[in-house]
Amino acid sequence: DQQVKQNSPSLSVQEGRISILNCDYTNSMFDYFLWYKKYPAEGPTFLISISSIKDKNEDGRFTVFLNKSAKHLSLHIVPSQPGDSAVYFCAVSSGTYKYIFGTGTRLKVLA
Amino acid sequence: KAGVTQTPRYLIKTRGQQVTLSCSPISGHRSVSWYQQTPGQGLQFLFEYFSETQRNKGNFPGRFSGRQFSNSRSEMNVSTLELGDSALYLCASSLGPQDYEQYFGPGTRLTVT
Repeated sequence: DQQVKQNSPSLSVQEGRISILNCDYTNSMFDYFLWYKKYPAEGPTFLISISSIKDKNEDGRFTVFLNKSAKHLSLHIVPSQPGDSAVYFCAVSSGTYKYIFGTGTRLKVLA
Repeated sequence: KAGVTQTPRYLIKTRGQQVTLSCSPISGHRSVSWYQQTPGQGLQFLFEYFSETQRNKGNFPGRFSGRQFSNSRSEMNVSTLELGDSALYLCASSLGPQDYEQYFGPGTRLTVT
């Protein structure tokens, strides 16, 4: 039973447009949420995070939104660039486990 | 500052053998976690070490074990390899167990034949 779900295995977006990646979780005890980006043959790279006391966090082109009542996390990338093409993982933590990861969404930004 | 390093990067083993993977964390980082990545399951948490002690363990059989040395370097061992153990094994380090931000190494690609 997956506690963290990324229901879209892939997403294609035109360069310059917004990319929205979604993540759903089941346990309300999770208190920290992160997004990682992964290129082939490399380990995941930390992108942005948010704690459960906030509902939004921005870092440049990247914004993470947290809807605790819906147990939903999203990552917005605006504007999308070809270099953003990668696999994006959401991860949640409750302190008991370091992270539980989603299965990833492959983003392709078309030039 | 050097990143997390993992050795070897690629490994081919036969079913029934055992394997040891190594991870050197970022200098100053004392917490090391291990993950298994497979195409169908994504990244799954194996275990976390801090101060040479295992703090948390994921839902993996006892064939998977690890340890951490006094210099924070960590090794994980898989005994009696099965075909299903073929995966990318990722190590991540953080300053300490309360630090949420982990930094990943490039991984070791293990193929079991």
